[in-house]
Amino acid sequence: TQLLEQSPQFLSIQEGENLTVYCNSSSVFSSLQWYRQEPGEGPVLLVTVVTGGEVKKLKRLTFQFGDARKDSSLHITAAQPGDTGLYLCAGGHQFYFGTGTSLTVIP
Amino acid sequence: DTGVSQNPRHKITKRGQNVTFRCDPISEHNRLYWYRQTLGQGPEFLTYFQNEAQLEKSRLLSDRFSAERPKGSFSTLEIQRTEQGDSAMYLCASSKGTGFLAKNIQYFGAGTRLSVL
Repeated sequence: TQLLEQSPQFLSIQEGENLTVYCNSSSVFSSLQWYRQEPGEGPVLLVTVVTGGEVKKLKRLTFQFGDARKDSSLHITAAQPGDTGLYLCAGGHQFYFGTGTSLTVIP
Repeated sequence: DTGVSQNPRHKITKRGQNVTFRCDPISEHNRLYWYRQTLGQGPEFLTYFQNEAQLEKSRLLSDRFSAERPKGSFSTLEIQRTEQGDSAMYLCASSKGTGFLAKNIQYFGAGTRLSVL
């Protein structure tokens, strides 16, 4: 089993603050995906990173894939209440999801 | 494109009863996936179909669980003799393509929440 550990598990911050979420594994992945899930809904894909060292930006979200393709990070700049949700990373065939980071942005 | 549809959205059942969930994928998506998710955790893979063929099953899928996709379109997930530990959100996703799985974008339904009393 390819285990994906995310940290922190819970994060509560004020609107306007910056944050970083981490996704780590002892296994090498050919790609990693990041999803956001809101209560009562299924996960929605945010981005896929494929190349070691790759950085992708999606508005205020910056995603990075580690050089060794074993880890990834998600950085959010100037968080907004609409960013609240469960952030999930998934690896390889997308069958393996991380443990999740529950983010709450307080207005 | 109406998205992935799952029914019912909620199911409450008594321990020992059988339940069946349905998933209608996005039309023309040939891949369909089932996951189970408990509160605050990431989804756990259960099984995967390409067209009507069930290509992969997790060890989490005990013999009480069975999934079908008879015509390569909608899929059903049945749980027999439900246990309280089966209480969870059951998610379905679909994707198109026949190539490298990791390049397929999975679109998720809103899930079926099962509560076993």
